[in-house]
This record gives sequence, structure tokens and C-alpha cells, in this order.
Amino acid sequence: AQKITQTQPGMFVQEKEAVTLDCTYDTSDQSYGLFWYKQPSSGEMIFLIYQGSYDEQNATEGRYSLNFQKARKSANLVISASQLGDSAMYFCAMRDSYGGATNKLIFGTGTLLAVQP
Amino acid sequence: DVKVTQSSRYLVKRTGEKVFLECVQDMDHENMFWYRQDPGLGLRLIYFSYDVKMKEKGDIPEGYSVSREKKERFSLILESASTNQTSMYLCASSLRSWAYEQYFGPGTRLTVT
Repeated sequence: AQKITQTQPGMFVQEKEAVTLDCTYDTSDQSYGLFWYKQPSSGEMIFLIYQGSYDEQNATEGRYSLNFQKARKSANLVISASQLGDSAMYFCAMRDSYGGATNKLIFGTGTLLAVQP
Repeated sequence: DVKVTQSSRYLVKRTGEKVFLECVQDMDHENMFWYRQDPGLGLRLIYFSYDVKMKEKGDIPEGYSVSREKKERFSLILESASTNQTSMYLCASSLRSWAYEQYFGPGTRLTVT
């Protein structure tokens, strides 16, 4: 069965440092996509970055990059130069072909990141 | 910009009441979703819809129903609210394509007393 695992319930990082949020996934499908979302305390989910299983290069979006290791089934989010505004809950999510045209996502349980000044 | 709106940010209802949560998107997305979010459990899919009047159960549909009469609007209905339905409810929408992300509304925090 498809599954997303985020093993870090909470993390601290100093402002301006880089931080890695872990995500492992389980699917028997060859074609899948991985997403990261940010949820600030206000509650809205903000899409950050996407990686397709056939993408040869790791995805990057500004200060966000996705460290995609297909053989290990991991898709860790790296935030460079952390800012106070990065304090939020972060969710990893996956969609594989079982989701089909409906674009269903499976979410992990999230990691709460606190950026300290 | 894609916009997904939800009818209420906070809602307090009594046990046994019928509750309607409304979600509207303005980007002509085919797919719409309802999730509930609970601490330590992440987001769990309740129902989704891939077209008008079309719906499918998600992972936790018990105690809920949905309605999609128009493409832009997707309603979640709690037929008889119970205290274990106290939660944050998130609506999302997306295009029907492979790599497209879901866009989320601001959420409704429902308390059932």
C-alpha cells in the first residue's frame, strides 16, 4: 500500500542555517509524484515544490530543494538560509498512478519546524 | 491566482446537528477534495469529486456525505454531527493532470459540543 513516512515530529533550526526535513515513501508504482506543502499557524496549506519520479534532476524552488533518492525511496526537503517565517508545519505527499486522473494525494503526518533567532 | 474559499473559519455545532461546510474554487478545476486534519494523523481524505455530480469515497467517509451540483462548489455534509468529528476541515482543488498540485482553502475548524 502507498504510504508516506515523516519521522521527525518536530525540529529546531537557527535562523540563517539550512535544515533538512525527512520524508520516505512506499509505492510499488514506477510513475509517481512527490509534493511538499507548508502549513503556517494560520492554517492554509501552501504548495512548495514537486518532484516527478522520472525527473533526473532534483527539484528546486528558491530556497527550497528536494533531495530525491529514488533507490532509497526518500524525498527530503532542504530549506537553505532559514528565516523566522519558515516556522510552520511541513507535509510531504505522494501521488502515484493509483490516484489516476483524480490526482489523489497521500500525506505524511508532518514535521513542525521552529526557526530560532 | 487560484483561490479556494471555505464558508467559515470557525464553527461550533451541537451533537446531532446537520452541518454544511462549503467550498468554492474559481479556477475551473475538475477535481475537488475534502480532508480532515488531526494532530499526529496528518491529512486524511474524506471524499473527492472529479466532475460535477461525481464523487468517490476517500479513506474516512463514514459519517460524511458530499454534494457537487456545480463545478466550482463542493459541499461536505455531516448528517448528524458527533464530538469525534471535531477537527480541522480542509478543502482543495486541482486540475485533472499528472503533475498538478492541489490548491487548498484556509480551513474550517469545527467544534462539536
